Amino acid sequence: AQTVTQSQPEMSVQEAETVTLSCTYDTSESDYYLFWYKQPPSRQMILVIRQEAYKQQNATENRFSVNFQKAAKSFSLKISDSQLGDAAMYFCAYRSAGLTFGEGTQLTVNP
Amino acid sequence: ETGVTQSPTHLIKTRGQQVTLRCSSQSGHNTVSWYQQALGQGPQFIFQYYREEENGRGNFPPRFSGLQFPNYSSELNVNALELDDSALYLCASSRTLSMNTEAFFGQGTRLTVV
Repeated sequence: AQTVTQSQPEMSVQEAETVTLSCTYDTSESDYYLFWYKQPPSRQMILVIRQEAYKQQNATENRFSVNFQKAAKSFSLKISDSQLGDAAMYFCAYRSAGLTFGEGTQLTVNP
Repeated sequence: ETGVTQSPTHLIKTRGQQVTLRCSSQSGHNTVSWYQQALGQGPQFIFQYYREEENGRGNFPPRFSGLQFPNYSSELNVNALELDDSALYLCASSRTLSMNTEAFFGQGTRLTVV
């Protein structure tokens, strides 16, 4: 069974600064997909970024980028130029039949 | 294009009762999955439906069951409710079964079992 671990329950960052959220996972599969979702207080999960395991190039979406280390089974999220609207719970997820989520990291953005 | 909608938004039930939660998939989506999110935790995968057939199940007992209808809307049924079933239940729909397809989530149903 796949497992996803987020070791940072809480993180904070100053507005306009950069923050990195950590995620590790465990799987015996060679081809898979990884995702970062954010969940604001409204509760609705929103996709931030996705990474295909067979692609060596790290995914980027505007201010969001990942550092995907397949051998280390590590998938961290970097948020550049943090904005107040980035404040949310962030979940790392592994896709098999459904999504396997980590425990989440609560990100606070300080003005 | 309408998003994923779930009903009701909040629900209170008594231990031992049965509950049905509903989800309307985003237009054009044929895959729906359900998740249970306990307070302060990440969502846990319950099951997934593709074209009205169950296509994957997480570690949940048989009293958690589901249906997907021809219009791809879906229901989650929970029998013999327990206090630990209190959680936010999330529904997500996808355009295809493919693993790289984005899952679009609803805002969830908050179930409280007393």
